Amino acid sequence: DSGVTQTPKHLITATGQRVTLRCSPRSGDLSVYWYQQSLDQGLQFLIQYYNGEERAKGNILERFSAQQFPDLHSELNLSSLELGDSALYFCASSVVAGGNTQYFGPGTRLTVL
Amino acid sequence: EDQVTQSPEALRLQEGESSSLNCSYTVSGLRGLFWYRQDPGKGPEFLFTLYSAGEEKEKERLKATLTKKESFLHITAPKPEDSATYLCAVQNTGNQFYFGTGTSLTVIP
Repeated sequence: DSGVTQTPKHLITATGQRVTLRCSPRSGDLSVYWYQQSLDQGLQFLIQYYNGEERAKGNILERFSAQQFPDLHSELNLSSLELGDSALYFCASSVVAGGNTQYFGPGTRLTVL
Repeated sequence: EDQVTQSPEALRLQEGESSSLNCSYTVSGLRGLFWYRQDPGKGPEFLFTLYSAGEEKEKERLKATLTKKESFLHITAPKPEDSATYLCAVQNTGNQFYFGTGTSLTVIP
């Protein structure tokens, strides 16, 4: 158990809908990272927050947004969902902003029908 | 464009048969290279971070090395419990992360 929690574990929804994925980092970790893992593309970095501020952005679609709250938990919002958004979404956390050692959560499996 | 290529895609070893996994990378400015282990249906588990060419790190049966263009993960005398997918990733100076698609390792008793 990495200490990173993600909810929900599974999510099934329809195209065009909007969903919110939640992540609680390990106690004491200030950085949160979001990744998408699909079968054909592997693990893709989406975005990083450090102590509530956006620190780095990867290949995150405009339909996706994220934020980190004062209690350091983070939410990833996915809107206007498409079939291709079906994937495993992982959250990771680290103590510092540099991302040296990232601890990954168990992931949320999103299925868009 | 920054990218990571891992080879082979899959590797089957007999228990005790040592081998190496390769990670080739191109990056605008390397901040760090990471190795992770991922078991089916689980999140990646951190193994190593390497920062500069020539650096080596070891943990139990695993040893990671880094050159200016690639990294190797050497597995010495593997056991069945080492079976997993091994992921390599780089972090560039813009703090973006790029992962390879992994090497799926199976160790046969």
